[in-house]
Amino acid sequence: GAGVSQSPSNKVTEKGKDVELRCDPISGHTALYWYRQSLGQGLEFLIYFQGNSAPDKSGLPSDRFSAERTGGSVSTLTIQRTQQEDSAVYLCASSLESFGAGQYFGPGTRLTVL
Amino acid sequence: AQRVTQPEKLLSVFKGAPVELKCNYSYSGSPELFWYVQYSRQRLQLLLRHISRESIKGFTADLNKGETSFHLKKPFAQEEDSAMYYCALGRGSTLGRLYFGRGTQLTVWP
Repeated sequence: GAGVSQSPSNKVTEKGKDVELRCDPISGHTALYWYRQSLGQGLEFLIYFQGNSAPDKSGLPSDRFSAERTGGSVSTLTIQRTQQEDSAVYLCASSLESFGAGQYFGPGTRLTVL
Repeated sequence: AQRVTQPEKLLSVFKGAPVELKCNYSYSGSPELFWYVQYSRQRLQLLLRHISRESIKGFTADLNKGETSFHLKKPFAQEEDSAMYYCALGRGSTLGRLYFGRGTQLTVWP
């Protein structure tokens, strides 16, 4: 079946601009996660959506970062006033809500802030 | 606090040799443990889940709660096993995010 998809695959932007990254999870997966992967930091958790519950935003690095999930499916991660340190690969994952289910990752969006 | 430690950043073996990638965790609750693999220019893929006790691509991993370890093993490494391997911990009682180790880059030489 179709896996997690993300768009765009690459995004180059100028410092100070806003960007939106999109994630389409696996159909039927009620949990959705955003992580980012960078050389110096490894895999960092950003935010987690679980069904209709309030999201776990504990990993968002600043208030410039926000995310929403519409209709329990597609999610958008927005970064306002981008900074060079925001350059990273942003990964989306989805999973079933059960013990040991495992998370399935998308291909990522490579963000470069000039 | 939850933590995953992968002590080896780099690991090299020759084809046909056994390989063990180490993973230790700290968590006082009931853990979920996973191994993920990322081949060059590919997405992060789920390799193994401790709950299923499966063998995938010849790899196995056993959860040792006494030693708080979840080492990944393969008796005979292949060149195509060269990749980045991440150990990940989930808090089984509350689901949610995974805690990832820093990863081990495995290189299998011909």
